[in-house]
Amino acid sequence: GENVEQHPSTLSVQEGDSAVIKCTYSDSASNYFPWYKQELGKRPQLIIDIRSNVGEKKDQRIAVTLNKTAKHFSLHITETQPEDSAVYFCAAATSSNTGKLIFGQGTTLQVKP
Amino acid sequence: ETGVTQTPRHLVMGMTNKKSLKCEQHLGHNAMYWYKQSAKKPLELMFVYNFKEQTENNSVPSRFSPECPNSSHLFLHLHTLQPEDSALYLCASSQDSGDTDTQYFGPGTRLTVL
Repeated sequence: GENVEQHPSTLSVQEGDSAVIKCTYSDSASNYFPWYKQELGKRPQLIIDIRSNVGEKKDQRIAVTLNKTAKHFSLHITETQPEDSAVYFCAAATSSNTGKLIFGQGTTLQVKP
Repeated sequence: ETGVTQTPRHLVMGMTNKKSLKCEQHLGHNAMYWYKQSAKKPLELMFVYNFKEQTENNSVPSRFSPECPNSSHLFLHLHTLQPEDSALYLCASSQDSGDTDTQYFGPGTRLTVL
């Protein structure tokens, strides 16, 4: 079945720097890759997603890149701010068409002011 | 923030108790999900319902029993749980249960089993 690996598990950056979180997946038929942000004590919230017909997608300071050949995708946050501090989860949809998402282990991002 | 709601937000129960978690979505979606989030582990999908029909059971023990009376409501009935079942239980919904449908999460129920 699908397996998603996420790295790093923790990431600390200075405010204004960029942050990159990487995920790899195993099911070559997966075609949907969302990223969720979960602040302490709150629900996971979708911040960006990418579908397999595109290689990159940007939304202001956030971008996601997808390399289907290598089966990996990455989240890029530029000009980080303290409010970006949270746990970030990547996920990959399985090819079963049941809505099943397989999540990575999460990355705790700390942005130091 | 009110698209998917869950009650109760916190629950403490003994191993012999029976309790139920409730989820309601106000987004007009057709698919609903239960996830378990334990410390230092990825979110684990438990169940998927699409148009009230269960389409996925991710090898969940029978002490967890889901119920979906309509597309807006989802319950998780709990009985004879174990301490290792303590976790945050998250509900989510999406338009349908297709491969590319965005899932929206509720705030979760923090469950502690004594």
